[in-house]
Amino acid sequence: DQQVKQNSPSLSVQEGRISILNCDYTNSMFDYFLWYKKYPAEGPTFLISISSIKDKNEDGRFTVFLNKSAKHLSLHIVPSQPGDSAVYFCAASVFNDMRFGAGTRLTVKP
Amino acid sequence: DADVTQTPRNRITKTGKRIMLECSQTKGHDRMYWYRQDPGLGLRLIYYSFDVKDINKGEISDGYSVSRQAQAKFSLSLESAIPNQTALYFCATSDLGRRGGNEQFFGPGTRLTVL
Repeated sequence: DQQVKQNSPSLSVQEGRISILNCDYTNSMFDYFLWYKKYPAEGPTFLISISSIKDKNEDGRFTVFLNKSAKHLSLHIVPSQPGDSAVYFCAASVFNDMRFGAGTRLTVKP
Repeated sequence: DADVTQTPRNRITKTGKRIMLECSQTKGHDRMYWYRQDPGLGLRLIYYSFDVKDINKGEISDGYSVSRQAQAKFSLSLESAIPNQTALYFCATSDLGRRGGNEQFFGPGTRLTVL
């Protein structure tokens, strides 16, 4: 069973606009959430994270929002840049158990 | 130099062959992980190790084994490869830290094809 779901396999956004990537999870025990970015032929790289005691974490152009009651996580990228084009994975964890979503491919068009 | 390296980067093999994928890290992290990535399924944990004497099964360990030879080295073996083990394999590391999801640092991946 997939405990972490990214229902949009792909997203296309114009340069300068906002990109919103979504993630849903089913296990209410998850207490730490992460976003990773992956370029072709490279491993995923950590982007931003949030603890379950917060509902927002911001790092430059990237903001992660957590809605625990809806078991929903989102990543906002503002403004989007062509270099942001990549596959984005969300992950959720509790203790030593980390689960990943299937990924969303973001394309930012110039 | 890369902090987490994987060898080989690509491998094509035949059904029934024994395959070993190797991972080395210079980050000094105690925790190491092996994942596989399949289209539409994301990353799934195969095995993980919190130190040299510690080996734990992950979500999908059947058909795989691991060896933690040293703090810096963690290898994944397929004793008798089968076609549905065709996937992209990633090694990752993390340090001891907070309860729950520590940020993990991934290697570049090994693309394995089993014919």
